[in-house]
Amino acid sequence: AQSVTQPDIHITVSEGASLELRCNYSYGATPYLFWYVQSPGQGLQLLLKYFSGDTLVQGIKGFEAEFKRSQSSFNLRKPSVHWSDAAEYFCAALPGNNDMRFGAGTRLTVKP
Amino acid sequence: KAGVTQTPRYLIKTRGQQVTLSCSPISGHRSVSWYQQTPGQGLQFLFEYFSETQRNKGNFPGRFSGRQFSNSRSEMNVSTLELGDSALYLCASSWTGTGGEDEQYFGPGTRLTVT
Repeated sequence: AQSVTQPDIHITVSEGASLELRCNYSYGATPYLFWYVQSPGQGLQLLLKYFSGDTLVQGIKGFEAEFKRSQSSFNLRKPSVHWSDAAEYFCAALPGNNDMRFGAGTRLTVKP
Repeated sequence: KAGVTQTPRYLIKTRGQQVTLSCSPISGHRSVSWYQQTPGQGLQFLFEYFSETQRNKGNFPGRFSGRQFSNSRSEMNVSTLELGDSALYLCASSWTGTGGEDEQYFGPGTRLTVT
């Protein structure tokens, strides 16, 4: 079945440490891939997206993601986390039929 | 330009009642999608409208319906509310809804509580 999996429900990192959030997708063909961030009480904000081409994608707020076809993964990374990055992060996939699927989300806590 | 707006932001209803939520897309956007977000089921796609026509539909019962007006504003309706309908309902708009380069912009959501 078509799905998006985020294996980590909750991650805690120290401010200034690096971050990697995992995302795997299960589709016959590579869908469009996205990472969104949601702060409490807010809607979703797009961090970055991948359609084709360069497998390393740069986004806003210093985030990047790497697409790995062989692993069906699209992991989000940030070299140095700031306290303001504490939020929930969603990976999403959009196949050709426009049925956007989201992962369950990863809640990020940043320790001072 | 103004972002996606959703009204009301918060709503409390009783089981069995019906509710209508409104979404105003970004000016010029013609595609509006609705999503339900709950702690248990996460973010789930409800439906998408484009040019006043429902173009895609998720796996929700017929109690969930929607429509889009000629100015692209959209409403969704939930009839015979159940406790499980308590959720954050998010609306997203885009130019054409065809994915790819056409990014979806999300509104802040309407928090519906059913008692």
